[in-house]
Amino acid sequence: GAVVSQHPSWVICKSGTSVKIECRSLDFQATTMFWYRQFPKQSLMLMATSNEGSKATYEQGVEKDKFLINHASLTLSTLTVTSAHPEDSSFYICSAAPTLTETQYFGPGTRLLVL
Amino acid sequence: DAKTTQPPSMDCAEGRAANLPCNHSTISGNEYVYWYRQIHSQGPQYIIHGLKNNETNEMASLIITEDRKSSTLILPHATLRDTAVYYCIVPQGGSARQLTFGSGTQLTVLP
Repeated sequence: GAVVSQHPSWVICKSGTSVKIECRSLDFQATTMFWYRQFPKQSLMLMATSNEGSKATYEQGVEKDKFLINHASLTLSTLTVTSAHPEDSSFYICSAAPTLTETQYFGPGTRLLVL
Repeated sequence: DAKTTQPPSMDCAEGRAANLPCNHSTISGNEYVYWYRQIHSQGPQYIIHGLKNNETNEMASLIITEDRKSSTLILPHATLRDTAVYYCIVPQGGSARQLTFGSGTQLTVLP
């Protein structure tokens, strides 16, 4: 149990285009999901907290207009990187916790390469 | 999150026990210790967590000192697939809902 999936697993896009990444909790519901970003040889950095039915909250330094988050259901959160640039190339990872537990489970990650 | 300190790297022979230490001297009474690992190019994987008692599951054992200022994750029979970065995390206020990842320990299991 407690499986989180992400789609796509990797994506290559041209500079200036937008990319949508999906995060799904497959066997549980999650009112809150988290989005992280990881650059090569660095640790995970929290980008934002996705709240079902309400606006996401963003960490300091993360542009909310560039990284659009939608949490439309208890099993799906999406992260859209708008007008992507090469510096947005990174490994994006989501996490979620089943209701009534505190343990976060992570998705497999999405590797984004912007050319 | 309470600050944790881990060695940057460790080696372990395949089949032997891997003991990964973590210092968390500023931990508060209601804060849990969580362990995750990240195999290269994958998302982090939950391993185990505990409050004050030692814990064991199918993956590992967690030994927490009586004063709770440090802990040790034990992989009893390390395999090559256990090569990963191991993170010790003490979420603030006892909630694991928001995790702060440090540098972790790169464990390399040697054949």
